[in-house]
Amino acid sequence: EVQLVESGGDLVQPGGSLRLSCAASGFTFSGYRMTWVRQAPGKGLEWVANIDQDGNGKFYVDSVKGRFTISRDEAKNSLYLQMNSLRAEDTAVYYCARIGGASAFDYWGQGTLVTVSS
Amino acid sequence: DIQMTQSPSSLSASVGDRVTITCRASQSISTYLNWYQQKPGKAPKLLIYAASSLQSGVPSRFSGSGSGTDFTLTISRLQPEDSAIYYCQHCYSSPTCTFGQGTKVEIK
Repeated sequence: EVQLVESGGDLVQPGGSLRLSCAASGFTFSGYRMTWVRQAPGKGLEWVANIDQDGNGKFYVDSVKGRFTISRDEAKNSLYLQMNSLRAEDTAVYYCARIGGASAFDYWGQGTLVTVSS
Repeated sequence: DIQMTQSPSSLSASVGDRVTITCRASQSISTYLNWYQQKPGKAPKLLIYAASSLQSGVPSRFSGSGSGTDFTLTISRLQPEDSAIYYCQHCYSSPTCTFGQGTKVEIK
């Protein structure tokens, strides 16, 4: 059974940093692109970043470029999102997901809440 | 960047009704269009990929169609458990991905 479990969400002050993790199991992690998607309270889904299978291709939404870094560790079957210079508008539930055929996000984690506030 | 526009933003329908949600892309995306369902407090769930392929385990009352710029998600006979927000998404012809703004489906 495919499982994705996010962790690391917390309350952080503006300008602070946070690292989210996503532990993957039940599939060959190295064979799939992975993604982070966020959802601000009461708002729609917003794609944040993708990473290719080999970790070399990384793509970001414009609003997080230069502040967020997506990475992966094959040995730990884990996906990460390093978030720096956090802003109030980064407050959201952050989901990790697996990218399957047709670039569809076929499995999702349960989400982890990031709150940026003083 | 490619923009995805859904309509309507919300709808209310009765159990057993046929419901159609549309998604329009700002430029042609072939059939690289996916649909998701999200219930309150839950992660999104993939329903349809590549415009018309039903994800494993999804009830057959859900179907998708379209190509180019215009796409539809149809629920043939609405059920109470279909109350949710539905999102279209494109994530292929560029390295970036885009979701539509969502359509809230309520049961009368």
